[in-house]
Amino acid sequence: DAGVIQSPRHEVTEMGQEVTLRCKPISGHDYLFWYRQTMMRGLELLIYFNNNVPIDDSGMPEDRFSAKMPNASFSTLKIQPSEPRDSAVYFCASSLREAPNTGELFFGEGSRLTVL
Amino acid sequence: ELKVEQNPLFLSMQEGKNYTIYCNYSTTSDRLYWYRQDPGKSLESLFVLLSNGAVKQEGRLMASLDTKARLSTLHITAAVHDLSATYFCAVVIGGADGLTFGKGTHLIIQP
Repeated sequence: DAGVIQSPRHEVTEMGQEVTLRCKPISGHDYLFWYRQTMMRGLELLIYFNNNVPIDDSGMPEDRFSAKMPNASFSTLKIQPSEPRDSAVYFCASSLREAPNTGELFFGEGSRLTVL
Repeated sequence: ELKVEQNPLFLSMQEGKNYTIYCNYSTTSDRLYWYRQDPGKSLESLFVLLSNGAVKQEGRLMASLDTKARLSTLHITAAVHDLSATYFCAVVIGGADGLTFGKGTHLIIQP
């Protein structure tokens, strides 16, 4: 399996611009997660989906952030408008609820976002 | 609110030495995960601990879980430079699905 695939790997943009991050989960996985990693705050769960349905978006920082999962093989995380404090590495992860390793997350390589 | 605390956050040690990283969590949980992250890279799953008393070993790393004490340990035996990385523990509350991560332990192993 190719693993979780994220794009772009690096994004540099200016404040106020729209940013869209993309994720393709591992085929057959029924959960998809978006995390954000910064030095100050560590790894934060932003939102997760089960069978393409958003389950918990309480970690989304504010209305500028939105996420969708239109089908089982694709998800997007959008920031509009972007701000310098959004600069971080955004990870997508997927998992399979069933045993043997219940809930183990498999992470993509991450999208490093820099907002100037 | 679930809190996950790792200790220490930074550790510099010499090759050949043994050491233990601790992970405490604040709410009852029956699942604990250990991940490794190299600089600029993704997170790699190391161990999945699914019950009280669970112990898993891979090479020089051994992880254990005590759900009554809400404590997991990651023990490093005869450290080698290749184990230099940041190690995270993560916990999920029963019924929820997203993992809550500790701050990570930045481990440097010097020759």
